[in-house]
Amino acid sequence: GDSVTQMEGPVTLSEEAFLTINCTYTATGYPSLFWYVQYPGEGLQLLLKATKADDKGSNKGFEATYRKETTSFHLEKGSVQVSDSAVYFCALSYNTDKLIFGTGTRLQVFP
Amino acid sequence: NAGVTQTPKFQVLKTGQSMTLQCAQDMNHEYMSWYRQDPGMGLRLIHYSVGAGITDQGEVPNGYNVSRSTTEDFPLRLLSAAPSQTSVYFCASSYSGTGIMNTEAFFGQGTRLTVV
Repeated sequence: GDSVTQMEGPVTLSEEAFLTINCTYTATGYPSLFWYVQYPGEGLQLLLKATKADDKGSNKGFEATYRKETTSFHLEKGSVQVSDSAVYFCALSYNTDKLIFGTGTRLQVFP
Repeated sequence: NAGVTQTPKFQVLKTGQSMTLQCAQDMNHEYMSWYRQDPGMGLRLIHYSVGAGITDQGEVPNGYNVSRSTTEDFPLRLLSAAPSQTSVYFCASSYSGTGIMNTEAFFGQGTRLTVV
């Protein structure tokens, strides 16, 4: 079946460091790919998405490119801030009634 | 603009008790879903609905019931609570989406349930 694998956390960085959170997927079809972010005590918010191969999603300085050849959707940011500290979830979906999530990666950014 | 509203935010139950987690959305979304979030396991789908009167099981449906009598509401019922149901529960809603034209799923703030 379909699945999403994320790198284990926590990822600990200093402010202004470069961020990469790896995400790979297994899919029987051609899903859309998403990154959701969960700030402490809150629900999940969509960070960015890509709906087909080679699409790049971007938002708030974060980027991810849908790579069909490597079945990957890695999240990157050039310069993280303390306010980026959160849990990041990679997910796939064919229809948004059902999302398949990775286990989540906690990011901690220190001043 | 309320979005997706879940109640209660926190709940403690004794083993064997029943309760209903409420979820309401005011965005006229057709799709609604319930997930549970457990450490190291991400979010797993419990039940989902593609419209009023239509529900289906997700990955972990045992011990839970749902119904969808209106577009706005999608309650989740725990029939006889067990310690294994201790978790954080999230409700989500979205416009109907098919194929590559997926739209954003909006999540509530969650219900933290402890079963003792």
